[in-house]
Amino acid sequence: QVTLRESGPALVKPTQTLTLTCIFSGFSLSTSGMCVGWIRQPPGKALEWLALIDWDDDKYYSTSLKTRLTISKDTSKNQVVLTMTDMDPVDTATYYCARMRIVGATRAFDIWGQGTMVAVSS
Amino acid sequence: SYELTQPPSVSVSPGQTASITCSGDKLGNKYACWYQQKPGQSPVLVIYQDTKRPSGIPERFSGSKSGNTATLTISGTQSMDEADYYCQAWDSSTADVVFGGGTKLTVL
Repeated sequence: QVTLRESGPALVKPTQTLTLTCIFSGFSLSTSGMCVGWIRQPPGKALEWLALIDWDDDKYYSTSLKTRLTISKDTSKNQVVLTMTDMDPVDTATYYCARMRIVGATRAFDIWGQGTMVAVSS
Repeated sequence: SYELTQPPSVSVSPGQTASITCSGDKLGNKYACWYQQKPGQSPVLVIYQDTKRPSGIPERFSGSKSGNTATLTISGTQSMDEADYYCQAWDSSTADVVFGGGTKLTVL
């Protein structure tokens, strides 16, 4: 059974750096084609993709946010970490991690975590 | 940046067919997928690679694509299908994963 679970602070102050951890089980991020991504969703709004890391340690970032994001993995611990710098109240959202399996040109998140709500406020 | 456009809302009567569209430049050259999200829950993949259904997804969910428009069709819509639906594609030119703005499906 594949599961992912996000963890991190529920509240951060403006200008601070957010660090989120995704702990997963049921698959290995060293297997060819495996990826883990981060997606966020502000309250009442649409999903927004943030970052993706693949089995080969290649990293991909949202064009609009890439200057603020860093994604990394620890394969031995089955963990993926996302950091986002210079947090602002508009970054208040539920943050999800999700698994993606790359098969040819197919890119879809087939398993999602439960999400973690992060509020940005002083 | 690449964009996918969905109608904000779609309404359907129980038992009828609901269709939700997703359009984007050159979407015909990309694979689209669809997610269902019920209130307070995480998204669930219901269609990938334009037309394929993951295991466990009811057969009433189907996907298609014509030109640069992908369509999610729900046949015999049930009240449990009331949810937000998001399309998603991958822009190979920028390596961005892109989501549509979402469509709220109301079953009434």
